Amino acid sequence: GAGVSQSPRYKVAKRGQDVALRCDPISGHVSLFWYQQALGQGPEFLTYFQNEAQLDKSGLPSDRFFAERPEGSVSTLKIQRTQQEDSAVYLCASSPGAPARRNTEAFFGQGTRLTVV
Amino acid sequence: SQQGEEDPQALSIQEGENATMNCSYKTSINNLQWYRQNSGRGLVHLILIRSNEREKHSGRLRVTLDTSKKSSSLLITASRAADTASYFCATDRGYGNNRLAFGKGNQVVVIP
Repeated sequence: GAGVSQSPRYKVAKRGQDVALRCDPISGHVSLFWYQQALGQGPEFLTYFQNEAQLDKSGLPSDRFFAERPEGSVSTLKIQRTQQEDSAVYLCASSPGAPARRNTEAFFGQGTRLTVV
Repeated sequence: SQQGEEDPQALSIQEGENATMNCSYKTSINNLQWYRQNSGRGLVHLILIRSNEREKHSGRLRVTLDTSKKSSSLLITASRAADTASYFCATDRGYGNNRLAFGKGNQVVVIP
């Protein structure tokens, strides 16, 4: 596709339910990022992949959050036993360069709005 | 913690006027970027300024960077109704993976 695609666009989960959010980055992009954006706030970094390797997961808020990118393209962010505080927009971004290529922009998807009730 | 903190602004201007918003940050950076987010849409990259640059233009956008003050400004000239959006600055602090630290955003409303 032409851009970063995320699905679903909206997800309502009951507290305690597990959810899986999907990201299709731009084809050929090496770097993939997940961000969490609470209402009225800026995005907060969650985790980073270079191809299939998860090189930075320091932003994941708890061990209920898990991300993978097994073949270096599509990525899934999984949240187990969702809590109300997990309600947010989850944004995926990709960029073409490896970390050594600095000063590159990130291309964001439209996000998945997760509401935990 | 978030780095890159815009002056908390909810700016309301008339179409044709200029809009200015500011951003400050705390640590050294590789670059600073500005993004726009419309209601219901993802973040769209507007402009990137490197740490060794002081000013950059792109169409109706003008960005300045003052590394001594750790601050940046974004100017939108001759605003249009379509410029109504939230604007975020984001810094690349050189973690080596280009991860970004975003500010809280400025809400800009352009009245036709």
